[in-house]
Amino acid sequence: DNQMTQSPSSLSASVGDRVTITCRAGHTIRNYLNWYQHKPGKAPKLLIYAASSLQSGVPSRFSGSGSGTDFTLTISSLQPEDFATYYCHQSYNPPYTFGQGTRLEIK
Amino acid sequence: QVQLQQSGPGLVKPSQTLSLTCAISGDSVSSNSAAWNWIRLSSSRGLEWLGRTYYRSQWYNDYALSVKSRMTINADTSKNQVSLQLNSVTPEDTAVYYCAREYSAGPFRAWGQGTLVTVSS
Repeated sequence: DNQMTQSPSSLSASVGDRVTITCRAGHTIRNYLNWYQHKPGKAPKLLIYAASSLQSGVPSRFSGSGSGTDFTLTISSLQPEDFATYYCHQSYNPPYTFGQGTRLEIK
Repeated sequence: QVQLQQSGPGLVKPSQTLSLTCAISGDSVSSNSAAWNWIRLSSSRGLEWLGRTYYRSQWYNDYALSVKSRMTINADTSKNQVSLQLNSVTPEDTAVYYCAREYSAGPFRAWGQGTLVTVSS
């Protein structure tokens, strides 16, 4: 399996802060990297696909970058509804794998 | 707009078989541009991809190594749905299970509502 290492595992931040989450693949995945937001009781929501493409309907404060093995998700100015858990996901080759998640909490 | 509606029991006894279905509307299970995935979420392991089925002139399956020996994913074209069977379950299989439609290059844009499955006697 291509292990995805996500950091940090948790993060405390305030409304208006800029936050960055990183994800590293064990082997190159080109740009086959997706980011999801998950809130309790709901299905995960796709935010970013193909490393840097913003999913339709997702606010522009979310952005993604990277290629190969190193990727980042940035939220430019945190809003109250952004406090959730975030996961990266490689879809280069099955078996697909997810990062272990980053829990974003209110400071 | 693709919609996925999951069904199945929320409680399964250890050593028995976990069975879930995912009914598809707004798309065809035989679509040549889709793959139908199963994913689970647990507090101990986070999101875990389990496997998928897809049709490209014939049916194909891929499975995670951790469940490959116990899992079967099937498509039912007459009902336009996919199913998951996980044999010999243990409490470690307790999780919320999701089906999801995979688009080209792999992102999961459409998800089922999730089914909490508890493995307990």
